[in-house]
Amino acid sequence: NAGVTQTPKFRVLKTGQSMTLLCAQDMNHEYMYWYRQDPGMGLRLIHYSVGEGTTAKGEVPDGYNVSRLKKQNFLLGLESAAPSQTSVYFCASTPGLVVSYEQYFGPGTRLTVT
Amino acid sequence: AQSVTQLDSHVSVSEGTPVLLRCNYSSSYSPSLFWYVQHPNKGLQLLLKYTSAATLVKGINGFEAEFKKSETSFHLTKPSAHMSDAAEYFCVGWKTSYDKVIFGPGTSLSVIP
Repeated sequence: NAGVTQTPKFRVLKTGQSMTLLCAQDMNHEYMYWYRQDPGMGLRLIHYSVGEGTTAKGEVPDGYNVSRLKKQNFLLGLESAAPSQTSVYFCASTPGLVVSYEQYFGPGTRLTVT
Repeated sequence: AQSVTQLDSHVSVSEGTPVLLRCNYSSSYSPSLFWYVQHPNKGLQLLLKYTSAATLVKGINGFEAEFKKSETSFHLTKPSAHMSDAAEYFCVGWKTSYDKVIFGPGTSLSVIP
């Protein structure tokens, strides 16, 4: 069991470039999440998905898009990167809607936008 | 507004001494509460969780936390710090809807030999 994996681990972009971050989980979890982590601010929810083919906005969705075409994958896209999107991005998943369920996190993607 | 507050951005303890990391949550809801640990350049790992079954919760690596409704607190403790405990710790509140996962800002724990 690989758990939650993220691709790539590191990336440097120039302002205006686009990229896609891939999150994959092999635990058959229904719910998946994308967070960004910035110093002193904890993790903030960007978008989430409650099942294949569904997505919803979180706390800080502007500048990002997501897709969940397959249950095991959750993609985060940046169409036109900005320096404010320099951050560490974490993907997480949970089995379903039970508050006792913990979130399983990937190792993170460190993105720098110059 | 719902919030989770971690009162200390940084805590430093000597190896072998007790650890106390403080967390308070807003009282407008009865949450599920979690503590996660993040070691450098790693993802987050669950330490323990409170879901109303018992107010004193034991977690991994000797950590425990007590839910005190009257104080709206969920402080994390460990009797004796180990060097491997040096990490960032996050208190997390989760209401019964997906987008109400609320992270505290984190507390960085340093352990001095």
